[in-house]
Amino acid sequence: DVKVTQSSRYLVKRTGEKVFLECVQDMDHENMFWYRQDPGLGLRLIYFSYDVKMKEKGDIPEGYSVSREKKERFSLILESASTNQTSMYLCASSLLTEMNTEAFFGQGTRLTVV
Amino acid sequence: SQQGEEDPQALSIQEGENATMNCSYKTSINNLQWYRQNSGRGLVHLILIRSNEREKHSGRLRVTLDTSKKSSSLLITASRAADTASYFCATAGGRDDKIIFGKGTRLHILP
Repeated sequence: DVKVTQSSRYLVKRTGEKVFLECVQDMDHENMFWYRQDPGLGLRLIYFSYDVKMKEKGDIPEGYSVSREKKERFSLILESASTNQTSMYLCASSLLTEMNTEAFFGQGTRLTVV
Repeated sequence: SQQGEEDPQALSIQEGENATMNCSYKTSINNLQWYRQNSGRGLVHLILIRSNEREKHSGRLRVTLDTSKKSSSLLITASRAADTASYFCATAGGRDDKIIFGKGTRLHILP
């Protein structure tokens, strides 16, 4: 059974803290994604990685960075957490193919910044 | 910017009726996908339709794609209470493998 695992289901952090959200997939997928989901805004792409050490900015990368040191792990980093980063964060992975394939999602991390 | 735009934003129907959701997108695609999200959980892939396909079926799901109008529809037939969820369309393609989602349709099946 394929799996994308996010390290935390719920997280509460203080303003200004450095926050790490971890995501691991066991499907040997090349592509990995980080999205944030807010009411009325749907899923917005933060960052995307198509290979180890490779990354591309999505639609809303400001205030975030990512790390992909190993193929199976994609980390999202909030350098200095702010209250407007309170959100649901979703990690996903997919195969790298010419015609693309479906994305597999983790269960999400609900982050609250106080 | 977001690629897909679902319509309607919310839909309530009686159990047993059919539910139709629409999605419009802006740029060329390789494929279009539909996902379901139960409250507060991750998304689950439902069906994928490639840009050279016009219609696809999977169980009670029927998806159509009109690339000339840059639009797709998802039909759920004989709805059940368990179909209550949010539904998202997502597009993939172009020069990279980004998968871009719309804002979703909240579907509520009334008993």
